[in-house]
Amino acid sequence: ETGVTQTPRHLVMGMTNKKSLKCEQHLGHNAMYWYKQSAKKPLELMFVYSLEERVENNSVPSRFSPECPNSSHLFLHLHTLQPEDSALYLCASSQHRAANEKLFFGSGTQLSVL
Amino acid sequence: GNSVTQMEGPVTLSEEAFLTINCTYTATGYPSLFWYVQYPGEGLQLLLKATKADDKGSNKGFEATYRKETTSFHLEKGSVQVSDSAVYFCALNSGGSNYKLTFGKGTLLTVNP
Repeated sequence: ETGVTQTPRHLVMGMTNKKSLKCEQHLGHNAMYWYKQSAKKPLELMFVYSLEERVENNSVPSRFSPECPNSSHLFLHLHTLQPEDSALYLCASSQHRAANEKLFFGSGTQLSVL
Repeated sequence: GNSVTQMEGPVTLSEEAFLTINCTYTATGYPSLFWYVQYPGEGLQLLLKATKADDKGSNKGFEATYRKETTSFHLEKGSVQVSDSAVYFCALNSGGSNYKLTFGKGTLLTVNP
């Protein structure tokens, strides 16, 4: 148990659906992240929030929309996804957004887009 | 830009065998280096890290030494166990104001009894 909880664990959606992924941490951390993990590819950093402000968006398509309503919660809203968006989506948090910080990861949401 | 290259898997070993997973990197400045591990069905966990040249990170019998001259951070363990079966990720962060952790593709390790 890392202290970072993601729901749902699995999600199957059609290309016209709208769904949301949820991440919650009660570690008192100030930075939260969304990563995409695809088979045989390095983890891709999608978004970074620091003190509830989005500080990084790595050229992610607009069909992915993050939301950070408070320092403990992070959402990823999904709409009109493509089959190539099928992947494991990992949420992580850290005390601060700094080079030596340890990241705490959730178990991920396995997303399948049909 | 920053990049991490780690050996292709999968790696299959018998219990008590010696493990090496190679990792080399390209980065600007003086990066911090990390090994993360992902057990089946779980997220990544930090295994060990090193923040400057010649530092050795160690945890749970695993070790890795920051070699600036060869830009490497190879992971080693003297005697693996079945419970070490997981995917191992090498990563770096070059620091500064632009925090970004760059990961390798991961190496799947399977340890057989």
